[in-house]
Amino acid sequence: GENVEQHPSTLSVQEGDSAVIKCTYSDSASNYFPWYKQELGKGPQLIIDIRSNVGEKKDQRIAVTLNKTAKHFSLHITETQPEDSAVYFCAARSSPYNQGGKLIFGQGTELSVKP
Amino acid sequence: NAGVTQTPKFRVLKTGQSMTLLCAQDMNHEYMYWYRQDPGMGLRLIHYSVGEGTTAKGEVPDGYNVSRLKKQNFLLGLESAAPSQTSVYFCASSGLPRGIQPGGLEQYFGPGTRLTVT
Repeated sequence: GENVEQHPSTLSVQEGDSAVIKCTYSDSASNYFPWYKQELGKGPQLIIDIRSNVGEKKDQRIAVTLNKTAKHFSLHITETQPEDSAVYFCAARSSPYNQGGKLIFGQGTELSVKP
Repeated sequence: NAGVTQTPKFRVLKTGQSMTLLCAQDMNHEYMYWYRQDPGMGLRLIHYSVGEGTTAKGEVPDGYNVSRLKKQNFLLGLESAAPSQTSVYFCASSGLPRGIQPGGLEQYFGPGTRLTVT
């Protein structure tokens, strides 16, 4: 089955710097890769996603890149702000969308943005 | 819309006790999921449902049962709780794919239930 590895597990940056979180997946049939942000005491919330027919997607200060050949994808946050501090999860969809669209999650990255 | 709600928010059980966690969604979503979150292990799928009356096993189903008698509710049961089931439990729901694309099927998560088994 699908396996998703996420690095680093913790990341500390200064406010205004960029942050990059990387994930690799094992199943070449996976075709959808979302990123979730989890604030303390809350459930994860989708911040950006990318499908396998796209190499890069941007939404203001966040971007995701996908390399299907190498089976890895990355989250880039530019001009980080203290409110970006949270745990970030990558995921890969391991089953077709009409069979439940199950996601396999990475282990999470705790991002700390220091003022 | 309340989105996805979970009951209770916190619970402490003794080993061997049983309990049911309730998830409710008001978005008319077809798909619902139960995850557990443990430090350093991300979110792992316990069971899921693709529609009312149907359920299926996820990555870590042992020790749990589920039921989806109504489209808006998804129940997770622990028949005989064990300390290894101490975790934070999240419910999520998602709708049918948008358009005809192999759509994203964004999952909307509830606020979680923190369960401790002593």
